[in-house]
Amino acid sequence: AQSVAQPEDQVNVAEGNPLTVKCTYSVSGNPYLFWYVQYPNRGLQFLLKYITGDNLVKGSYGFEAEFNKSQTSFHLKKPSALVSDSALYFCAVRDNWAGNNRKLIWGLGTSLAVNP
Amino acid sequence: DAGVTQSPTHLIKTRGQQVTLRCSPKSGHDTVSWYQQALGQGPQFIFQYYEEEERQRGNFPDRFSGHQFPNYSSELNVNALLLGDSALYLCASSYGEVSGANVLTFGAGSRLTVL
Repeated sequence: AQSVAQPEDQVNVAEGNPLTVKCTYSVSGNPYLFWYVQYPNRGLQFLLKYITGDNLVKGSYGFEAEFNKSQTSFHLKKPSALVSDSALYFCAVRDNWAGNNRKLIWGLGTSLAVNP
Repeated sequence: DAGVTQSPTHLIKTRGQQVTLRCSPKSGHDTVSWYQQALGQGPQFIFQYYEEEERQRGNFPDRFSGHQFPNYSSELNVNALLLGDSALYLCASSYGEVSGANVLTFGAGSRLTVL
């Protein structure tokens, strides 16, 4: 069964410090992995995705994510956090197996709080 | 360039009633997916429409139905509302039938409260 786990409900970091938001996944075939961010009263915004190739993916607003196949993880990272990064972050996976490849499976989200 | 627009933004219904939510996709997009996001949860896939047909469906009862129009806009209908249907309903659009690495563009959502 497909699933996504975000083990931390909340992550707190100080402004200027590096941040990591964790994500692990389970799929039948090979994964397509995504990170989205949700600000209050706004829709989900795409940050980055992994399809194939380089395990380190760079995305919007200085975010990057590292794909680790052996650990089935896709952790979101940023070298220096900003207060404006405070939001709800979702990891999602789409299975490339034909029967499952239309729907995104989402984690429960991680609330990131960046303190000044 | 208009993104994905959804209406209404908020609505309140009572149990047993029916509701229709509307979505206009981003310009140039032809595929619409609907998701339900309960409070404190991640989005749950309801269904996806492409070429005016439902292409895939998540684990939602038949009370949830949809439609896509020739202009690519879409409606989500929920009949016989239950308290548990209270959620944020998100519409997402993309170009081409959604699969693989397609990125979805989301609207701000319609928040449904069932009393």
